[in-house]
Amino acid sequence: DIVMTQAPLSVSVTPGESASISCRSSKSLLHSNGITYVYWYLQKPGKSPQLLIYRMSNLASGVPDRFSGSGSETDFTLKISRVEAEDVGIYYCGQLLENPLTFGSGTKLEIK
Amino acid sequence: EVQLVESGGGLVQPGSPLKLSCAASGFTFSSNWLNWIRQAPGKGLEWVASINPDGSSTYYPDTVKGRFVVSKDNAKNTGYLQMNNLRSEDTAMYYCAGTVFDYWGQGVMVTVSS
Repeated sequence: DIVMTQAPLSVSVTPGESASISCRSSKSLLHSNGITYVYWYLQKPGKSPQLLIYRMSNLASGVPDRFSGSGSETDFTLKISRVEAEDVGIYYCGQLLENPLTFGSGTKLEIK
Repeated sequence: EVQLVESGGGLVQPGSPLKLSCAASGFTFSSNWLNWIRQAPGKGLEWVASINPDGSSTYYPDTVKGRFVVSKDNAKNTGYLQMNNLRSEDTAMYYCAGTVFDYWGQGVMVTVSS
């Protein structure tokens, strides 16, 4: 199984500043078709998760462009620029390259 | 507007069956995969099942393989998760979600306890 390891476990950010969340996979998520199958999700308190980034660096519909995704074959970063109060919640990375589909354990973002 | 609405959750005893439903609207259900993901209280996300658009192929992790069965009725725009021989460790919020988990339902709670 592909293990997704996230860091840090939690992050506290002052509004207006930036935050970065790291995710590492135990196997390359780069498919032979050139697509890297890593996704980022945000679960706001008491809500269902929502898709933020698909295929490593593509912004999902309706997601503010303060969010961006980048990375290589096994190391990925979600960056949030100009953090706002509405960004609080738990961020998960996930791999959709192969079964079993797996997620990181989550990073909790709090506002200072 | 895309909507996924789960139903069928509840409290059941260990060893019992339970069937969850996921009613879809606002998109072409027959052209999309359907996934089920669960989240135990205070824990992270765990993929539970996937079914391809026409329902001909299904996939499961080892933790539920042989006990859970995913299906979809494209004529009714509804997906299902039949859960058999439930265990206490199956206690979780269950979500149905779209092809790349791009859309999620509100979730339904399943509690397995005697």
